[in-house]
Amino acid sequence: ILNVEQSPQSLHVQEGDSTNFTCSFPSSNFYALHWYRWETAKSPEALFVMTLNGDEKKKGRISATLNTKEGYSYLYIKGSQPEDSATYLCAYSIIQGAQKLVFGQGTRLTINP
Amino acid sequence: EAGVAQSPRYKIIEKRQSVAFWCNPISGHATLYWYQQILGQGPKLLIQFQNNGVVDDSQLPKDRFSAERLKGVDSTLKIQPAKLEDSAVYLCASRQMTGKGSPLHFGNGTRLTVT
Repeated sequence: ILNVEQSPQSLHVQEGDSTNFTCSFPSSNFYALHWYRWETAKSPEALFVMTLNGDEKKKGRISATLNTKEGYSYLYIKGSQPEDSATYLCAYSIIQGAQKLVFGQGTRLTINP
Repeated sequence: EAGVAQSPRYKIIEKRQSVAFWCNPISGHATLYWYQQILGQGPKLLIQFQNNGVVDDSQLPKDRFSAERLKGVDSTLKIQPAKLEDSAVYLCASRQMTGKGSPLHFGNGTRLTVT
């Protein structure tokens, strides 16, 4: 059974502060790691898809790193803004024909003005 | 490009009633997914289609849930009869099948409340 753990489950951050959270996944048979942002009343939006150990990706103030050998990925947000308030989901897939994606339970981020 | 379309956005039904959700994926996306997201949990895959064929339905409660993707485009997910524990957001997503770096594109979801 594939198990993806995200921590913390929820987080309150002051506007302007930087923050980070973790996605842990099984290190065997790794294929890809996805990060999505899900704002209330909207659809989940892809942030990053990472496939190689040591990958680092950046999109504006948001960046992510990947360690496939130890089975974790970090998501960083620099200088948090109110519009960053959302649930951040990671999803993991292993090498198999269907490329099944298994999601973690998400980290709910609230930015306090 | 037009995004993934889902309807309805909200649905309230009583237990033992039936309900159906509809999804129109992004044009040209071969893979279509239905996920169930219960409050406080991550999305759980119910069924995955490749064109009009099922590639994974291992977590679909087949005694009450059914899904089809006729002609490999639109898809419907049905629950019959509904139970209280089916209250959740049902997300449809589609994906191009080119390369392992392709993300999922999600619809806005259908929020189902079973009373």
